[in-house]
Amino acid sequence: GAGVSQSPRYKVTKRGQDVTLRCDPISSHATLYWYQQALGQGPEFLTYFNYEAQPDKSGLPSDRFSAERPEGSISTLTIQRTEQRDSAMYRCASSLGELHEQFFGPGTRLTVL
Amino acid sequence: EDQVTQSPEALRLQEGESSSLNCSYTVSGLRGLFWYRQDPGKGPEFLFTLYSAGEEKEKERLKATLTKKESFLHITAPKPEDSATYLCAVQARTGANNLFFGTGTRLTVIP
Repeated sequence: GAGVSQSPRYKVTKRGQDVTLRCDPISSHATLYWYQQALGQGPEFLTYFNYEAQPDKSGLPSDRFSAERPEGSISTLTIQRTEQRDSAMYRCASSLGELHEQFFGPGTRLTVL
Repeated sequence: EDQVTQSPEALRLQEGESSSLNCSYTVSGLRGLFWYRQDPGKGPEFLFTLYSAGEEKEKERLKATLTKKESFLHITAPKPEDSATYLCAVQARTGANNLFFGTGTRLTVIP
């Protein structure tokens, strides 16, 4: 595609519910990153994929967070049993490879009530 | 521990008034330093990558420079459309290859 797309753009959920966010990277890009961005802050790393492999998930804040990229293209980020502190902007980025510049999507704004 | 500090937090300039934004960094082996622009409600937009001290890159009114401890983003004769938050990020030689971001400088250019 022309750029990184994410869906939904906005998600409001109740505490305790599970949510799944989707990222569709630039089609030629092997590497995909997930970041969390709080208001007024820079993005913070959560996890990344090289194709379908997930070499590092050290940034995931708890075991309620998981991510997949089963076919090396589209990725999902799932948060189980959401808590109010999970409210944030979740951004996806993709790059040609690990050493290339990253291109960001528009993000999903998650609000947990 | 990797650390990126950007200053100032906010900057207001008159149109045409040149200035510089600073990004100081500490990283265990720098692979690259990245500058991004972020408009409200949008994702960061890539501007530059710098890899070694002494390197400079330019794009329109923006010029980025790099030393062993900091990077500067020079804005020459800014226009109102340059108003945005400018984010600096470092990528380390070891680890996940993720970008470690600063908190940004919010630039406002007044006509």
